[in-house]
Formats: sequence, C-alpha cells, structure tokens
Amino acid sequence: DAKTTQPNSMESNEEEPVHLPCNHSTISGTDYIHWYRQLPSQGPEYVIHGLTSNVNNRMASLAIAEDRKSSTLILHRATLRDAAVYYCILISEGSNYKLTFGKGTLLTVNP
Amino acid sequence: DAGITQSPRHKVTETGTPVTLRCHQTENHRYMYWYRQDPGHGLRLIHYSYGVKDTDKGEVSDGYSVSRSKTEDFLLTLESATSSQTSVYFCATSRDLNNEQFFGPGTRLTVL
Repeated sequence: DAKTTQPNSMESNEEEPVHLPCNHSTISGTDYIHWYRQLPSQGPEYVIHGLTSNVNNRMASLAIAEDRKSSTLILHRATLRDAAVYYCILISEGSNYKLTFGKGTLLTVNP
Repeated sequence: DAGITQSPRHKVTETGTPVTLRCHQTENHRYMYWYRQDPGHGLRLIHYSYGVKDTDKGEVSDGYSVSRSKTEDFLLTLESATSSQTSVYFCATSRDLNNEQFFGPGTRLTVL
C-alpha cells in the first residue's frame, strides 16, 4: 500500500511562509493527495487536496511534484492558529478503497 | 461544519463488555467513516460506509463491527472490549470518497 513520509516536527515564525513536505514514492495513478490538520483535543480538519496539478484555496496551496512522488503544503503566512499536526494522506478511488494516514508533522509557530 | 455529533464523548468500561459508539450527521453525506487515534500511530481507518447497509473494512477492523441503517447514523460496536481498544475514536463524513472529510469531536474510550 502506498504510504507517506513526513518530518516529525517543523518550526516557523509568525507571518512567515511554511513549506511542509510529504514523500509518497509508491503513489499510484489513482491516489489523491489530501492534507488535514489537527489542533489539540480536536478532530482533524480538511486543508486541501489534489491529484496532479497544483491547487490553491483560502487556507493553503498544494504543490505536487511532476512525478507525484512528493508534495508540499504551503502556508503563505503562518499564524499562531496554524500550530497543529499536519497529515498528508493518500486516498485511492475504485473498488479497492484505501486511506493511509502518515504520522503527521507537528508544526510549531513562534510569535 | 457538517453537523457531526458523537456519543458518548467519554466512556470507561471493563474488559469483555460490549460497547457501541454512535455517530450522527445532519448533512446527508453518503460516506461515513470510523477512525481510531493512538499515540505514535496517527489516525487509522476502522470501517467505512458508502451508503445505507453498505459497509467495508478499513486498516484495523478486527474486533469491531459497524452498522448503518439510516443515512444519518453510523454505529461502531466493540462486541467484547479489550484494553487494546482504549483509544480516541473519530467519526467522519464526506459526500464522495475524494471530497473533504468532516470530522466529529471524538469519543475517548477507556477499557479497564
């Protein structure tokens, strides 16, 4: 099964951009790349997802490598509220539905 | 928010007793999911449902069963709880497989 690899932790300063990497070298052609984040004592929250092209929304941008073996979640201006665990996950469509969560990256944002 | 509630929010039970956790949604989403979250493991999918009476196993389904008799309710049952099932359980819903998943607030289960 395709799995993801993320750094255990990263640190950023408030109002600076943050680039959170995710490796998924065994990704298959039908796997979508999703990002979620989880604040302490809360359920995960959707951030963004994509298949092949880069994606932007009000929360973040998702940059997907041309070979799709890695992706980067970009927070353009980190705030203290962005401090959370960020999960990069792969979701496969079709009859063999699979959903694989990585261990996540703990993002610390310094004031 | 998708209006997802979980009940109970906290439960302490003893080994060998049956436990049922309920997930209720008000958004008419087709897909519903049960996850467990343990330190060092992140989130792991237990079971999911793609419609009324349609369910399938996830990564860690052993010891768990589910039922979905109505669109809005997805039940997770531990027939005979074990200490290894002590965890935080999250329910989630989505319109389709590759749409945004909305998560509930979680249920903290302790099996003594």
